[in-house]
Amino acid sequence: SYELTQPPSVSVSPGETASISCSGDKLGERFASWYQQRPGQSPVLVIYRDTERPSGIPERFSGSNSGNTATLTISGTQAMDEADYYCQAWDSSTGVFGTGTKVTVL
Amino acid sequence: EVQLVETGGDLIQPGGSLRLSCAASGFVFSSNYMSWVRQAPGKGLEWVSIIYGDGTTDYTDSVKGRFIISRDNSKNIVSLQMNSLRAEDTAVYFCARVGGSGWYFDFWGQGTLVTVSS
Repeated sequence: SYELTQPPSVSVSPGETASISCSGDKLGERFASWYQQRPGQSPVLVIYRDTERPSGIPERFSGSNSGNTATLTISGTQAMDEADYYCQAWDSSTGVFGTGTKVTVL
Repeated sequence: EVQLVETGGDLIQPGGSLRLSCAASGFVFSSNYMSWVRQAPGKGLEWVSIIYGDGTTDYTDSVKGRFIISRDNSKNIVSLQMNSLRAEDTAVYFCARVGGSGWYFDFWGQGTLVTVSS
């Protein structure tokens, strides 16, 4: 079965840049999306179709996808960005989520 | 405003059955694919099932033959019938709308908790 691997945790200082990787076989040939989940809340879509940002999502969130790795970048990280982040893609008609990354803003 | 409201979560014994429902509003329901995603306590997200506009369905391997997703376009409801429940099915179950041609989950419900335990 298809798997997406993320680092368990990423730490970043306020105002700095956080990068979260998502690795999967030929992931660059599929569309990747990213979700933010704060404790006790439902996930929120922050990036879709590799690089697109939904309305209402701040410009500091950006995405890329090439080769075997998709990346979510948070520029000028703020305290409110502390959350779990999940990448997601489709393997044929089966949805697959990444293992998740906890972003801590120190 | 898009809204998805899940109901039906409960404490159920292993081997039992439960039916979850998700009431949708604020968009043309019949035009959208819908999915269920679950999250076990303290764990990550796991995709469970999808139902397309024409009613065809897909499931993750661990629920095939036990869960059935369905939709009622006249009532704007998507349901998940869960049979032969196991302890490992314990999770918060989220209903999610599948958006656009890029196949992403653009709106999520608040979730409903299913606990399978004796």
